[in-house]
Amino acid sequence: QQQVKQSPQSLIVQKGGISIINCAYENTAFDYFPWYQQFPGKGPALLIAIRPDVSEKKEGRFTISFNKSAKQFSLHIMDSQPGDSATYFCAARPSGSARQLTFGSGTQLTVLP
Amino acid sequence: ETGVTQSPTHLIKTRGQQVTLRCSSQSGHNTVSWYQQALGQGPQFIFQYYREEENGRGNFPPRFSGLQFPNYSSELNVNALELDDSALYLCASGQQGPTYEQYFGPGTRLTVT
Repeated sequence: QQQVKQSPQSLIVQKGGISIINCAYENTAFDYFPWYQQFPGKGPALLIAIRPDVSEKKEGRFTISFNKSAKQFSLHIMDSQPGDSATYFCAARPSGSARQLTFGSGTQLTVLP
Repeated sequence: ETGVTQSPTHLIKTRGQQVTLRCSSQSGHNTVSWYQQALGQGPQFIFQYYREEENGRGNFPPRFSGLQFPNYSSELNVNALELDDSALYLCASGQQGPTYEQYFGPGTRLTVT
């Protein structure tokens, strides 16, 4: 059962444009929502994360928007650069002792020069 | 740059064999998790160890087992390998607490023939 749904599967953006990736979750026990960036042959790298007590978090060109009532969150990459071309995964984690991450299926972002 | 390392980088095994993958966590991290990432998919949680005890497990059969050692290293063991076990195996470490973050290693690519 997929608990975190991610879209789109792939995204092509021009350099300088805005990249937007969306995720929706079902489990209301989730209380931590990170985004990971993964380059080919590498492990996922933590990019930015948000907790449900805030609606937006910004770090540099990366912004997470969070809508608790709709159980949706999204990643916005402003001024997208060719070096941002990678696969992006949203994830969610419940409170409690185990606290395992449940990942979305990934979005392959290509930023054209 | 994460301090999590994994070995080996690549591994080829035959169906029915057993394999041991290794991970070295960042110093001070008391939690390690293992994930399986099939090609084109998001990572799937296998299990988590906290202070050398398993404290969470995903939907994986008992032939997937693990160990965590006091020196921040850990192992993932898979018995009776199947073709579907071919994947990238990732370990992630972190320090349990209010701002618990997980940092991934580069992964081990396992191919079962």
